[in-house]
Amino acid sequence: NAGVMQNPRHLVRRRGQEARLRCSPMKGHSHVYWYRQLPEEGLKFMVYLQKENIIDESGMPKERFSAEFPKEGPSILRIQQVVRGDSAAYFCASSATVNTEAFFGQGTRLTVV
Amino acid sequence: QKEVEQDPGPLSVPEGAIVSLNCTYSNSAFQYFMWYRQYSRKGPELLMYTYSSGNKEDGRFTAQVDKSSKYISLFIRDSQPSDSATYLCAMKDDYKLSFGAGTTVTVRA
Repeated sequence: NAGVMQNPRHLVRRRGQEARLRCSPMKGHSHVYWYRQLPEEGLKFMVYLQKENIIDESGMPKERFSAEFPKEGPSILRIQQVVRGDSAAYFCASSATVNTEAFFGQGTRLTVV
Repeated sequence: QKEVEQDPGPLSVPEGAIVSLNCTYSNSAFQYFMWYRQYSRKGPELLMYTYSSGNKEDGRFTAQVDKSSKYISLFIRDSQPSDSATYLCAMKDDYKLSFGAGTTVTVRA
């Protein structure tokens, strides 16, 4: 049973470009969460999605960031017009229900140059 | 005041020692408590998941939750060099995890 799959593992973007991060949840999981980990900081909640629905995006910056979890395919975290401050590790987690364990992927490390 | 407080360490112990980690929290609505282990440049790996106050044991790991004191602990018995990692406490009331800053542990061979 494959775990949460994230790709790419490493992503380098120039300032102003777009970054697309993908997350495939564990089999049977319909709840997806995105977290960001900045250097020397803890993991911070960004957004919670279920299939085709954004449930809570309170942790996501209002501008340039968006997320989706379509009926078919992986969840996508999209960052438009990246800036240096977006450089971080982005982790996706999934769970079977809202009250059960959340399992994390290996993350995508975004570097903005 | 942070919602979840965790001593960042670092913590260095000899092989075979007991590692003791703890977190305090301020939000009494938290119902679920977790410990994750994170190796350098890897994703957090779930170690323990608990709901109620009390102890939960899994192999060399024991998690304790004291809701009345808003205090949780993780004990690692017979520590091994492979246990060297950053340990994160996490808690939630519904779906949103609140993490501690993480404690970096080194087990010396």
